Amino acid sequence: RKEVEQDPGPFNVPEGATVAFNCTYSNSASQSFFWYRQDCRKEPKLLMSVYSSGNEDGRFTAQLNRASQYISLLIRDSKLSDSATYLCVVRGEGNTGNQFYFGTGTSLTVIP
Amino acid sequence: DVKVTQSSRYLVKRTGEKVFLECVQDMDHENMFWYRQDPGLGLRLIYFSYDVKMKEKGDIPEGYSVSREKKERFSLILESASTNQTSMYLCASRPGQGGQPQHFGDGTRLSIL
Repeated sequence: RKEVEQDPGPFNVPEGATVAFNCTYSNSASQSFFWYRQDCRKEPKLLMSVYSSGNEDGRFTAQLNRASQYISLLIRDSKLSDSATYLCVVRGEGNTGNQFYFGTGTSLTVIP
Repeated sequence: DVKVTQSSRYLVKRTGEKVFLECVQDMDHENMFWYRQDPGLGLRLIYFSYDVKMKEKGDIPEGYSVSREKKERFSLILESASTNQTSMYLCASRPGQGGQPQHFGDGTRLSIL
């Protein structure tokens, strides 16, 4: 079983729409969670960390559900510039404390 | 702002060559990482280093080695390049403590002919 699993999409949504991505992780002891954004042929860039109580940054909201071992990313009022691949990342704990596990990414295209 | 710099954006080498990829970070981070990214496979960890001269194998270390002689620099070495090592290589760094995220360099797109 993969450490981190994401729906690859693609998600094609109209401008202004709300879209949500989910990501599941297998290690219940994981403590740190992140969403990264990656544009085509570019490096991943940190979008936001995910905190236990959930957190918001402008149009972006991240949630963590420890019981079900998933994290989510909600994008409201989608812009054309939101088109990218979104990577879910989980940091291992214990012996793998310095290991980061990446999902394969969810592709989003926002259509005019 | 964290700055992670990789020595080349694009590189073309021949089978059997020894290839060096360099990565430098300017934030005094303890941890540094090398990944490769291939379509459909996502990012896979090759090696990471948690401090100077310290290194650990990741998930796919075969055919690679690393060097961390100074804190700011982490080098990835392809001992004898093969065509299946054609990929996008990404370097990342982060502080050694707590739940801090990684910060990535621009990536090196390496082609082995």
